[in-house]
Amino acid sequence: SQQGEEDPQALSIQEGENATMNCSYKTSINNLQWYRQNSGRGLVHLILIRSNEREKHSGRLRVTLDTSKKSSSLLITASRAADTASYFCATAGRGTGNQFYFGTGTSLTVIP
Amino acid sequence: NAGVTQTPKFQVLKTGQSMTLQCAQDMNHNSMYWYRQDPGMGLRLIYYSASEGTTDKGEVPNGYNVSRLNKREFSLRLESAAPSQTSVYFCASSVGMVYEQYFGPGTRLTVT
Repeated sequence: SQQGEEDPQALSIQEGENATMNCSYKTSINNLQWYRQNSGRGLVHLILIRSNEREKHSGRLRVTLDTSKKSSSLLITASRAADTASYFCATAGRGTGNQFYFGTGTSLTVIP
Repeated sequence: NAGVTQTPKFQVLKTGQSMTLQCAQDMNHNSMYWYRQDPGMGLRLIYYSASEGTTDKGEVPNGYNVSRLNKREFSLRLESAAPSQTSVYFCASSVGMVYEQYFGPGTRLTVT
């Protein structure tokens, strides 16, 4: 079974609003990563947060990690139409044999 | 730098045929991966190579074989294709296990 699960499966917002998506996982991890996939393309790495970190920022992205709840959230602030894509969390290391496990993704639509 | 390249981009096979998907990276990465992506399933790891000279099974290895030809190249072989292997296949690479991964553009495979 897959390690991570994103919630919600689909999200539709207006341009300028914030988008929040969540990821839950099952076992202990080395780090958690978020990726973005535009339709028909490969995945692009967005941000990595280590297991000893609680929050990380990168531009309009903010990621939090709660290892006690085995969950993470990705916040995209001031969304743009170009943010329309699928977003995946992936967990790596410790307890997963160093393998990566990807979740099923959140499909984000930003309406201009 | 081309990053991660995959060939072919599209392929249609008949049940029982064989083929090899090629992947190459020019980032001097140690680790390489093969994933498949099916609708609603996210990405699932087929095989990975933590470093040159090693390969290991991932979550869904049945029906596939891999070869880490050298540090740059990692190929995936389907010996006897089945309709259940219809999917989009992604190759990825990283500096090492648990680090961020860089993805190729994908190969869309249909088995009839």
